[in-house]
Amino acid sequence: VLTQSPGTLSLSPGERATLSCRASQSVASAYLAWYQQKPGQSLRLLIHSTSTRATGVPDRFSGSGSGTDFTLTISRLEPEDFAVYYCQQYGNSPPITFGQGTRLEI
Amino acid sequence: QVQLQESGPGLVKPSETLSLNCSVSGRSISSSGYYWSWIRQVPGKGLEWIGYMYYTGSSYYNPSLKSRVAISVDTSQNHLSLTLNSVTASDTAVYYCARGGGLNPFDIWGQGTMVTVSS
Repeated sequence: VLTQSPGTLSLSPGERATLSCRASQSVASAYLAWYQQKPGQSLRLLIHSTSTRATGVPDRFSGSGSGTDFTLTISRLEPEDFAVYYCQQYGNSPPITFGQGTRLEI
Repeated sequence: QVQLQESGPGLVKPSETLSLNCSVSGRSISSSGYYWSWIRQVPGKGLEWIGYMYYTGSSYYNPSLKSRVAISVDTSQNHLSLTLNSVTASDTAVYYCARGGGLNPFDIWGQGTMVTVSS
Protein backbone atom coordinates (compact mmCIF):
# COMPACT_ATOMS: atom_id res chain seq x y z
CA VAL A 1 0.00 0.00 0.00
CA LEU A 2 1.27 3.46 -0.96
CA THR A 3 0.18 6.41 1.19
CA GLN A 4 0.70 9.93 -0.15
CA SER A 5 0.84 13.07 1.93
CA PRO A 6 -0.41 15.65 2.17
CA GLY A 7 -3.76 15.04 0.52
CA THR A 8 -3.84 18.64 -0.68
CA LEU A 9 -0.95 21.08 -0.86
CA SER A 10 -1.66 24.79 -1.32
CA LEU A 11 1.25 26.84 -2.62
CA SER A 12 2.02 29.78 -4.88
CA PRO A 13 3.94 29.94 -8.13
CA GLY A 14 7.67 30.20 -7.47
CA GLU A 15 7.48 28.20 -4.23
CA ARG A 16 8.96 24.77 -3.62
CA ALA A 17 6.68 21.74 -3.39
CA THR A 18 7.54 18.56 -1.51
CA LEU A 19 5.25 15.57 -1.95
CA SER A 20 5.63 12.38 0.06
CA CYS A 21 4.90 8.75 -0.77
CA ARG A 22 5.27 6.09 1.92
CA ALA A 23 5.10 2.35 1.19
CA SER A 24 3.85 -0.29 3.59
CA GLN A 25 6.89 -2.41 2.74
CA SER A 26 10.16 -1.77 1.01
CA VAL A 27 9.80 -1.08 -2.72
CA ALA A 28 11.92 -3.60 -4.60
CA SER A 29 14.93 -2.09 -6.37
CA ALA A 30 13.49 1.42 -6.04
CA TYR A 31 10.92 0.80 -8.78
CA LEU A 32 8.94 3.87 -7.84
CA ALA A 33 7.38 6.29 -10.34
CA TRP A 34 5.55 9.62 -10.19
CA TYR A 35 2.79 10.79 -12.52
CA GLN A 36 1.03 14.09 -13.09
CA GLN A 37 -2.67 14.35 -13.98
CA LYS A 38 -4.43 17.58 -14.95
CA PRO A 39 -8.24 17.89 -14.92
CA GLY A 40 -9.87 15.97 -17.76
CA GLN A 41 -6.52 14.64 -18.97
CA SER A 42 -4.70 11.37 -18.91
CA LEU A 43 -1.57 10.74 -16.85
CA ARG A 44 1.95 11.84 -17.69
CA LEU A 45 5.01 9.99 -16.46
CA LEU A 46 7.36 12.39 -14.66
CA ILE A 47 9.85 10.24 -12.74
CA HIS A 48 10.72 6.52 -12.81
CA SER A 49 13.19 4.38 -10.90
CA THR A 50 12.80 6.81 -7.99
CA SER A 51 14.86 9.63 -9.49
CA THR A 52 15.11 9.39 -13.29
CA ARG A 53 13.20 12.08 -15.15
CA ALA A 54 11.14 10.92 -18.11
CA THR A 55 11.85 12.35 -21.54
CA GLY A 56 10.93 16.02 -21.80
CA VAL A 57 10.27 16.56 -18.09
CA PRO A 58 11.72 19.88 -16.83
CA ASP A 59 14.58 19.68 -14.37
CA ARG A 60 12.58 21.51 -11.69
CA PHE A 61 11.03 18.07 -11.04
CA SER A 62 13.19 15.69 -9.00
CA GLY A 63 12.61 12.43 -7.18
CA SER A 64 14.42 10.87 -4.25
CA GLY A 65 14.08 8.21 -1.59
CA SER A 66 14.60 4.55 -0.88
CA GLY A 67 13.06 1.66 0.96
CA THR A 68 9.65 2.85 2.08
CA ASP A 69 9.96 6.65 1.86
CA PHE A 70 9.98 8.59 -1.39
CA THR A 71 9.68 12.25 -2.30
CA LEU A 72 8.80 14.27 -5.38
CA THR A 73 10.15 17.82 -5.27
CA ILE A 74 9.21 20.65 -7.59
CA SER A 75 11.85 23.31 -7.04
CA ARG A 76 9.99 26.39 -8.31
CA LEU A 77 6.33 25.99 -9.13
CA GLU A 78 5.09 27.13 -12.50
CA PRO A 79 1.35 27.77 -13.12
CA GLU A 80 1.13 24.61 -15.24
CA ASP A 81 2.38 22.44 -12.34
CA PHE A 82 -0.87 22.69 -10.39
CA ALA A 83 -2.37 19.23 -10.80
CA VAL A 84 -2.77 15.90 -9.02
CA TYR A 85 0.34 13.77 -8.51
CA TYR A 86 0.40 10.01 -8.03
CA CYS A 87 3.18 7.70 -6.96
CA GLN A 88 3.28 4.10 -8.18
CA GLN A 89 5.37 1.06 -7.31
CA TYR A 90 6.14 -1.55 -9.93
CA GLY A 91 8.84 -3.58 -8.21
CA ASN A 92 6.65 -5.69 -5.92
CA SER A 93 4.26 -6.74 -8.65
CA PRO A 94 1.86 -8.03 -9.47
CA PRO A 95 -0.07 -6.21 -8.31
CA ILE A 96 1.18 -2.82 -9.40
CA THR A 97 -0.17 -0.24 -6.98
CA PHE A 98 -0.72 3.52 -6.90
CA GLY A 99 -0.94 6.04 -4.11
CA GLN A 100 -4.21 7.89 -3.61
CA GLY A 101 -2.79 11.14 -4.99
CA THR A 102 -1.78 14.60 -3.77
CA ARG A 103 -3.64 17.60 -5.15
CA LEU A 104 -1.34 20.57 -5.66
CA GLU A 105 -3.42 23.74 -5.75
CA ILE A 106 -2.73 27.43 -6.02
CA GLN B 1 5.60 8.48 -31.98
CA VAL B 2 3.58 5.85 -30.18
CA GLN B 3 -0.07 6.71 -29.52
CA LEU B 4 -2.81 4.75 -27.79
CA GLN B 5 -6.56 5.19 -28.25
CA GLU B 6 -9.23 3.38 -26.27
CA SER B 7 -12.67 2.60 -27.66
CA GLY B 8 -15.78 0.77 -26.60
CA PRO B 9 -19.34 1.19 -25.34
CA GLY B 10 -19.84 3.92 -22.79
CA LEU B 11 -22.72 2.09 -21.09
CA VAL B 12 -22.87 -1.53 -19.94
CA LYS B 13 -25.69 -3.23 -18.04
CA PRO B 14 -25.05 -4.89 -14.70
CA SER B 15 -24.03 -8.58 -14.93
CA GLU B 16 -22.99 -8.16 -18.57
CA THR B 17 -19.50 -8.14 -20.09
CA LEU B 18 -17.46 -4.99 -20.63
CA SER B 19 -15.29 -5.11 -23.76
CA LEU B 20 -12.78 -2.41 -24.71
CA ASN B 21 -10.14 -2.03 -27.38
CA CYS B 22 -6.92 -0.04 -27.38
CA SER B 23 -5.55 0.85 -30.79
CA VAL B 24 -1.77 1.23 -30.89
CA SER B 25 -0.16 3.38 -33.56
CA GLY B 26 3.48 4.17 -34.18
CA ARG B 27 4.83 0.80 -33.06
CA SER B 28 3.94 -2.84 -33.45
CA ILE B 29 2.24 -4.18 -30.35
CA SER B 30 4.33 -7.33 -30.71
CA SER B 31 7.60 -5.39 -30.55
CA SER B 32 10.16 -7.09 -28.38
CA GLY B 33 10.38 -6.10 -24.76
CA TYR B 34 7.15 -4.17 -24.29
CA TYR B 35 4.33 -4.67 -21.84
CA TRP B 36 0.84 -3.30 -22.42
CA SER B 37 -1.55 -2.60 -19.58
CA TRP B 38 -5.08 -1.64 -18.62
CA ILE B 39 -5.67 0.69 -15.67
CA ARG B 40 -8.90 2.23 -14.43
CA GLN B 41 -9.85 5.27 -12.41
CA VAL B 42 -13.14 5.83 -10.66
CA PRO B 43 -14.03 9.51 -11.29
CA GLY B 44 -12.60 11.65 -8.53
CA LYS B 45 -10.86 8.64 -7.00
CA GLY B 46 -7.61 6.78 -7.34
CA LEU B 47 -6.07 4.44 -9.87
CA GLU B 48 -6.34 0.66 -10.05
CA TRP B 49 -4.08 -1.49 -12.22
CA ILE B 50 -6.14 -4.17 -13.97
CA GLY B 51 -3.52 -6.24 -15.73
CA TYR B 52 -0.86 -6.40 -18.39
CA MET B 53 0.23 -8.49 -21.29
CA TYR B 54 3.80 -9.04 -22.39
CA TYR B 55 4.70 -9.13 -26.09
CA THR B 56 5.16 -12.90 -25.80
CA GLY B 57 1.47 -13.25 -24.93
CA SER B 58 1.92 -13.86 -21.22
CA SER B 59 -0.60 -11.98 -19.09
CA TYR B 60 -0.78 -10.98 -15.45
CA TYR B 61 -3.81 -9.68 -13.59
CA ASN B 62 -4.65 -7.87 -10.41
CA PRO B 63 -5.70 -10.59 -7.94
CA SER B 64 -8.76 -8.51 -7.04
CA LEU B 65 -10.07 -8.83 -10.61
CA LYS B 66 -8.40 -12.00 -11.85
CA SER B 67 -11.52 -14.16 -11.87
CA ARG B 68 -13.37 -11.73 -14.15
CA VAL B 69 -10.77 -10.20 -16.47
CA ALA B 70 -8.94 -11.14 -19.64
CA ILE B 71 -6.47 -9.16 -21.74
CA SER B 72 -5.60 -10.17 -25.27
CA VAL B 73 -3.68 -8.83 -28.23
CA ASP B 74 -4.63 -8.81 -31.89
CA THR B 75 -1.37 -8.37 -33.76
CA SER B 76 -3.10 -8.11 -37.16
CA GLN B 77 -5.07 -5.09 -35.95
CA ASN B 78 -2.30 -3.87 -33.64
CA HIS B 79 -4.62 -3.51 -30.72
CA LEU B 80 -5.03 -4.60 -27.12
CA SER B 81 -8.35 -5.78 -25.75
CA LEU B 82 -9.92 -5.97 -22.31
CA THR B 83 -12.91 -8.03 -21.26
CA LEU B 84 -14.40 -7.80 -17.77
CA ASN B 85 -17.24 -10.17 -16.92
CA SER B 86 -20.18 -9.83 -14.55
CA VAL B 87 -19.85 -6.09 -14.13
CA THR B 88 -21.46 -4.13 -11.31
CA ALA B 89 -21.79 -0.42 -10.58
CA SER B 90 -18.40 -0.52 -8.85
CA ASP B 91 -16.82 -1.16 -12.27
CA THR B 92 -17.91 2.30 -13.42
CA ALA B 93 -14.67 4.13 -14.21
CA VAL B 94 -12.44 5.69 -16.82
CA TYR B 95 -10.46 2.89 -18.43
CA TYR B 96 -6.96 3.61 -19.71
CA CYS B 97 -4.57 1.56 -21.76
CA ALA B 98 -0.88 2.26 -21.29
CA ARG B 99 2.48 1.00 -22.39
CA GLY B 100 4.26 -0.46 -19.41
CA GLY B 101 4.01 -3.15 -16.81
CA GLY B 102 6.32 -5.73 -15.33
CA LEU B 103 9.36 -3.80 -14.17
CA ASN B 104 8.58 -0.86 -16.45
CA PRO B 105 6.70 2.36 -15.66
CA PHE B 106 3.71 3.45 -17.71
CA ASP B 107 5.40 5.81 -20.12
CA ILE B 108 2.63 6.28 -22.67
CA TRP B 109 -1.10 6.52 -21.89
CA GLY B 110 -4.24 6.66 -23.93
CA GLN B 111 -6.80 9.39 -23.32
CA GLY B 112 -9.10 7.01 -21.50
CA THR B 113 -12.69 5.98 -22.09
CA MET B 114 -15.51 6.37 -19.57
CA VAL B 115 -17.60 3.28 -18.92
CA THR B 116 -20.77 3.46 -16.86
CA VAL B 117 -22.43 0.33 -15.52
CA SER B 118 -26.14 0.96 -15.20
CA SER B 119 -29.44 -0.58 -16.23
